[in-house]
Amino acid sequence: DAGVTQSPTHLIKTRGQHVTLRCSPISGHKSVSWYQQVLGQGPQFIFQYYEKEERGRGNFPDRFSARQFPNYSSELNVNALLLGDSALYLCASSHRGDYAYEQYFGPGTRLTVT
Amino acid sequence: EDQVTQSPEALRLQEGESSSLNCSYTVSGLRGLFWYRQDPGKGPEFLFTLYSAGEEKEKERLKATLTKKESFLHITAPKPEDSATYLCAVRRNNAGNMLTFGGGTRLMVKP
Repeated sequence: DAGVTQSPTHLIKTRGQHVTLRCSPISGHKSVSWYQQVLGQGPQFIFQYYEKEERGRGNFPDRFSARQFPNYSSELNVNALLLGDSALYLCASSHRGDYAYEQYFGPGTRLTVT
Repeated sequence: EDQVTQSPEALRLQEGESSSLNCSYTVSGLRGLFWYRQDPGKGPEFLFTLYSAGEEKEKERLKATLTKKESFLHITAPKPEDSATYLCAVRRNNAGNMLTFGGGTRLMVKP
């Protein structure tokens, strides 16, 4: 079975631009969470979606938004990019919307903002 | 506010030299402590979930334990392929699946 997939793998954008990152969860998983990982640090929670509803939001500005589609895939959108948005963006999927025993991460999208 | 602190930040071991990584946490209503392994440029790989003090989980050369304030990841007779960053994360009550991660421990095992 395929694991969590993310696209694109790498992305280079200019300050002020907009970016859309995509995630497909493991088949049968209905929860998707997004994390930002700056080089040398642990991942930081951005959003969780379950059954197309937002279940949680981390301490990120309104420039960050997300949604989940009927097939449980998800998009993360970032507007007005800043240099500090350069990071590895990770998607994690799980079967349950809360207290999931396991959460599986995708390979990530490496975003570079110049 | 939930806090997770991992130590040491980096650890260099000789092959076969056993050691432990530490994860200290502060969380209101722990509903799971997670250990992940992360290779450079890749997503974290799930290792263990621990729920209550005294619980232990094992996988190959790795053993995770949990107390009320910290968790340890014991590595027995490590091999070079165990070299990676090990991440610890906590989930608290009424927070969905949200994980709060520590900064990680970079482990390097030399042959």
